[in-house]
Amino acid sequence: DQQVKQNSPSLSVQEGRISILNCDYTNSMFDYFLWYKKYPAEGPTFLISISSIKDKNEDGRFTVFLNKSAKHLSLHIVPSQPGDSAVYFCAASGGGADGLTFGKGTHLIIQP
Amino acid sequence: SAVISQKPSRDICQRGTSLTIQCQVDSQVTMMFWYRQQPGQSLTLIATANQGSEATYESGFVIDKFPISRPNLTFSTLTVSNMSPEDSSIYLCSVFLGQSSYEQYFGPGTRLTVT
Repeated sequence: DQQVKQNSPSLSVQEGRISILNCDYTNSMFDYFLWYKKYPAEGPTFLISISSIKDKNEDGRFTVFLNKSAKHLSLHIVPSQPGDSAVYFCAASGGGADGLTFGKGTHLIIQP
Repeated sequence: SAVISQKPSRDICQRGTSLTIQCQVDSQVTMMFWYRQQPGQSLTLIATANQGSEATYESGFVIDKFPISRPNLTFSTLTVSNMSPEDSSIYLCSVFLGQSSYEQYFGPGTRLTVT
């Protein structure tokens, strides 16, 4: 039973437009939600996170929104750039000593 | 952040053999983890590598199959024992540095193919 779900295996967006990646979760005990970016043959790179007590966190072109009642979060990338083409993973943490629970990832393709 | 290296970066192994993967961090860290990413799947936590004590395994993973060592605060190994083709995966180590946002930093991964 997947506790973190990314229902879109891939997403194609034009350069300069907004990319929106979605993630749903089922476990109410998760405390933090994180987004990672992964290029082929590399480990995941941390992008941005949000605490369960907040509904928005922004860092440059990246904004994460959390809707706790719907158990849904999204990552917005504005404007999208060619270097953003990668697989994006949504992950959740119960806190501190816990490992992360990952979704299956969304392959974002930025088209020129 | 932390700089994490893994050896080997990739390997092709025969069924029934074992492979030990090394993870080296450039600073002392308390928490180290091992993950697996099977083809087309998400990253799945195998175990938490505890310094000075036995690793803590997640459901579905056992010590006999995935023995882990953590001799100090900068190094850990994961052994994949008695391999079968189903063990073909990318194996990644990660570290938690204690930030309040709970992010973990990952090594580049070890791509294992079992024939």
